[in-house]
Amino acid sequence: GENVEQHPSTLSVQEGDSAVIKCTYSDSASNYFPWYKQELGKRPQLIIDIRSNVGEKKDQRIAVTLNKTAKHFSLHITETQPEDSAVYFCAASGTGLDNFNKFYFGSGTKLNVKP
Amino acid sequence: GAVVSQHPSWVICKSGTSVKIECRSLDFQATTMFWYRQFPKQSLMLMATSNEGSKATYEQGVEKDKFLINHASLTLSTLTVTSAHPEDSSFYICSARDRGDRERGYGYTFGSGTRLTVV
Repeated sequence: GENVEQHPSTLSVQEGDSAVIKCTYSDSASNYFPWYKQELGKRPQLIIDIRSNVGEKKDQRIAVTLNKTAKHFSLHITETQPEDSAVYFCAASGTGLDNFNKFYFGSGTKLNVKP
Repeated sequence: GAVVSQHPSWVICKSGTSVKIECRSLDFQATTMFWYRQFPKQSLMLMATSNEGSKATYEQGVEKDKFLINHASLTLSTLTVTSAHPEDSSFYICSARDRGDRERGYGYTFGSGTRLTVV
């Protein structure tokens, strides 16, 4: 099955700096890669996603890049703000027989933005 | 947008009892729902895929008899934790896929989660 690895587990940045979180996946059949933000005790919220036919996607201060050959994708947050502090999860999903629309999550990155 | 309602938000039960958690899609029909488990400061672990009108598909290592899943309608899936023990204490969260997303594979809508504490 799919195996998603995420790094770093914790990330502390100064307000205004950029933050980068990286994930790798193992199943070449995976073709959809969402990123979720989860605040303590709350449900994960989709913040951005990318499909395998696209190499990069940007939404204001958030961007995601995908390298299909290397099987890794990254989340980039620019001009970080204290409210960006949360746990971020990457996920991989596919349309293959074994992983059809199943989400496999990375281990999470706790981002702390210091004011 | 799509809304998934999950109840209860928290529950405390005695060891040996069973607990039922409901997940409802409020404004769309969900042919497929997913149940996850999340331990403190850990990631979401997929437990099972709930398919409307058929048996759930469990991930490796998840006990079918322990975690009973029923998806009897297009808007409701339930997870019953049977004979709960303290080690079952966790955050359980469901997600649902809009019927129209079958081909697009878009992200799912998550329920608000249920914090189960077994004492």
